[in-house]
Amino acid sequence: GAGVSQSPRYKVAKRGQDVALRCDPISGHVSLFWYQQALGQGPEFLTYFQNEAQLDKSGLPSDRFFAERPEGSVSTLKIQRTQQEDSAVYLCASSLIGGGLGEQFFGPGTRLTVL
Amino acid sequence: QKEVEQDPGPLSVPEGAIVSLNCTYSNSAFQYFMWYRQYSRKGPELLMYTYSSGNKEDGRFTAQVDKSSKYISLFIRDSQPSDSATYLCAMSEMTGNQFYFGTGTSLTVIP
Repeated sequence: GAGVSQSPRYKVAKRGQDVALRCDPISGHVSLFWYQQALGQGPEFLTYFQNEAQLDKSGLPSDRFFAERPEGSVSTLKIQRTQQEDSAVYLCASSLIGGGLGEQFFGPGTRLTVL
Repeated sequence: QKEVEQDPGPLSVPEGAIVSLNCTYSNSAFQYFMWYRQYSRKGPELLMYTYSSGNKEDGRFTAQVDKSSKYISLFIRDSQPSDSATYLCAMSEMTGNQFYFGTGTSLTVIP
């Protein structure tokens, strides 16, 4: 079966542009997570959805970052007015059960470069 | 200070060697401990998942958790070139919504 997919795989944006990153989780997975992975670092938590409800957005670094999962499946992470420090790989993960206890299956990530 | 500390390496070993990877942490509320493997330009994939203290073995991989020392380890026996990757430790609380990752250790197994 299909795993977690993300698109685009690579995105180059000029500073100040808005970007939208898409995540297609494994079908039927309740939980969806977004992480930011800077070069040479481990993933850092951004936000968590249980179905369509965003239950935790404590990791979003600023109000320029916004995530949604309106129908409880596909999710979009939007970054407004991108800055150079936003350059990173954005990973999406999904889990069959709610909360942070189930195995998280990761997508390949979207590599964002802000010039 | 980060909640999870991991030596980034890089670590280079000959094929067949035993590899030891380690993480320390500061949050005593962590109950679940995981090791992920990440190949270049791929997402992390789960290797081992352990609850609380103790050992867990799966083939050539052994995970150890020492909660009293806030120290976890991953041992790889008979290492293979295909084990060359970055290894990430991750932890979570019983009621948490997120995983806390280490920085990852880059491992190269030389044929």
